[in-house]
Amino acid sequence: GIQVEQSPPDLILQEGANSTLRCNFSDSVNNLQWFHQNPWGQLINLFYIPSGTKQNGRLSATTVATERYSLLYISSSQTTDSGVYFCAGGTGNQFYFGTGTSLTVIP
Amino acid sequence: NAGVTQTPKFQVLKTGQSMTLQCAQDMNHEYMSWYRQDPGMGLRLIHYSVGAGITDQGEVPNGYNVSRSTTEDFPLRLLSAAPSQTSVYFCASSLQGATVGNTQYFGPGTRLTVL
Repeated sequence: GIQVEQSPPDLILQEGANSTLRCNFSDSVNNLQWFHQNPWGQLINLFYIPSGTKQNGRLSATTVATERYSLLYISSSQTTDSGVYFCAGGTGNQFYFGTGTSLTVIP
Repeated sequence: NAGVTQTPKFQVLKTGQSMTLQCAQDMNHEYMSWYRQDPGMGLRLIHYSVGAGITDQGEVPNGYNVSRSTTEDFPLRLLSAAPSQTSVYFCASSLQGATVGNTQYFGPGTRLTVL
């Protein structure tokens, strides 16, 4: 299967700070998504981004498919951004998840 | 439009007991899948289905059975529960799997404890 590495594993930020999360894939994927798991366990889709750059409010993501990595940018972080961020990639019928970045935003 | 629903939310089993985790979606998605989430290991694919009557194994299928008799429902069966199956289980669906353009939607999860 495809190996997915996420970094950093843990991140603590002061409210208002910016951060970059990274996701590396061991092989090419056709489908790449970023998810946020909130403190109640719900997984929310943030971006579908197999290549290029997308922005949604304070969040943006960039995927460089040829180099098999993706970045998630969080600007002006808020306490509600706390949780675990996962990237997942797949080809055909199987998705592979990274182990996540646990983000804590302190007021 | 309820999205992806899962029941029950919580379950405690004794070793050797059997049970079925229910998953349903109302988005007419062809692809449905089951994951387990263990601390520090992310989500791992157990089984998936690309349509009614078609199922296949994922990364960690041992100890679990699935069937897909309708487009809407994709139950996960534990035939003889073991403590190693203590985990949080997520069901997900998408239009057509991990191909280009398909976003996965997740259910709220089932927290299972096997004593």
